[in-house]
Order: sequence, then structure tokens, then C-alpha cells
Amino acid sequence: ILNVEQSPQSLHVQEGDSTNFTCSFPSSNFYALHWYRWETAKSPEALFVMTLNGDEKKKGRISATLNTKEGYSYLYIKGSQPEDSATYLCALPSNTGNQFYFGTGTSLTVIP
Amino acid sequence: EPEVTQTPSHQVTQMGQEVILRCVPISNHLYFYWYRQILGQKVEFLVSFYNNEISEKSEIFDDQFSVERPDGSNFTLKIRSTKLEDSAMYFCASRGDRGLEKLFFGSGTQLSVL
Repeated sequence: ILNVEQSPQSLHVQEGDSTNFTCSFPSSNFYALHWYRWETAKSPEALFVMTLNGDEKKKGRISATLNTKEGYSYLYIKGSQPEDSATYLCALPSNTGNQFYFGTGTSLTVIP
Repeated sequence: EPEVTQTPSHQVTQMGQEVILRCVPISNHLYFYWYRQILGQKVEFLVSFYNNEISEKSEIFDDQFSVERPDGSNFTLKIRSTKLEDSAMYFCASRGDRGLEKLFFGSGTQLSVL
């Protein structure tokens, strides 16, 4: 079992603020890290798949970095909008991809 | 973009009853998963399925649970005799077979066991 931790558990920010949250994981036996956005009443949707130490990915106002040596990934949202309100999950696959281990998620609320 | 579909969206059942949760994964995907989330807790892995057989299962996935891919398109999760603690949101997911590709999730079935 892989222990994946996310912090903070929840976050309230004002519209326009930039924010970031963390996913921590054991640095040994790393294969990949996935970030998912899960909006209420919808299915979780993949944001990024990251595999290499030092990886940086960007999608619009959302970006992510990866440090496999120290076992963490940051997700950044620049200029938060109400539509960014969601739970953000990180997940790490086992080496076979037969199982993904999820963090508890960070629930983001953007206040207009 | 192609979607994973799940039915029903909500299921209410009495303790001890059997339920079948249905999923239609994306058609060219080869790996299939069931996850669940009990309110306030982590998303938990139940089972993965590849090449018409279970590839991995968690300790949650005991003899009360079974999965089937009866017709090449549907992927079902059966709980034989539901318990109160089975109440959760159940998600089906699928992915292709190129490396560690992202998961595509269905919108979930909220199971309530009374």
C-alpha cells in the first residue's frame, strides 16, 4: 500500500487569488503521478500525468510540478475562478498500473 | 471526448439484498477498475480487471463482491449481500494500455444501504 497524503484538506480563496496545494508520497518505487479534478456531481477528470523528476505541466491557469526525489508534487492555480471550485485528487499507480493509490483530496472553494 | 457511463446514478437497497452496478467503459480501453468513496474518506481501490480476469483486488473486495464483463462492453460490480458499511459512491474507471495512462471515470453510483 502506498501512503499518499494531500494538504490542505480544504481551502477557501477569493476570486482572483492564486493558490497551491501539495501531494506527498513515498519517493521509492515511483512510476507516475496523476492529478484529477472532481467537480460536484461530475466524474473525476484527469488534469496531468507526470512521470519525470522536475516535470512541469501546464493547462491554462493550472500548473503542476513534480519532485520524485523528495516525494511531492505541487498543483498551482493562478487567478482562481469560481469554476475552479472542486476537489483535487492526486493518485499514484502501482508499477503494473493494476492499482492507483489516491490521496484524500484538497477541496477548493473559490468565493466570487 | 469518449465517456465512461455508469448506471444507476443512485441505488437504495435493504441490507442483505444483492445489487448490481453497471458500467460501460470506453470501447478501446483494456484496463477496468472499480473504486469507491465513503463520505469523508479516501477514494478506495476495489478491483482491477484486464484480459477478462481480475488482475488485482483489495482486501475490501471479499467474497461478497464479484465483477463481470458479460458481453464485451458492460463491466458490472455485484455485491451479493449488502451491508450498511457498503454505502458509498462507487466509481468505474477505464484506461488504455499505453504506459500508465490517465484513468477515465464514470460519474458514479451512489449506493445507500438501509
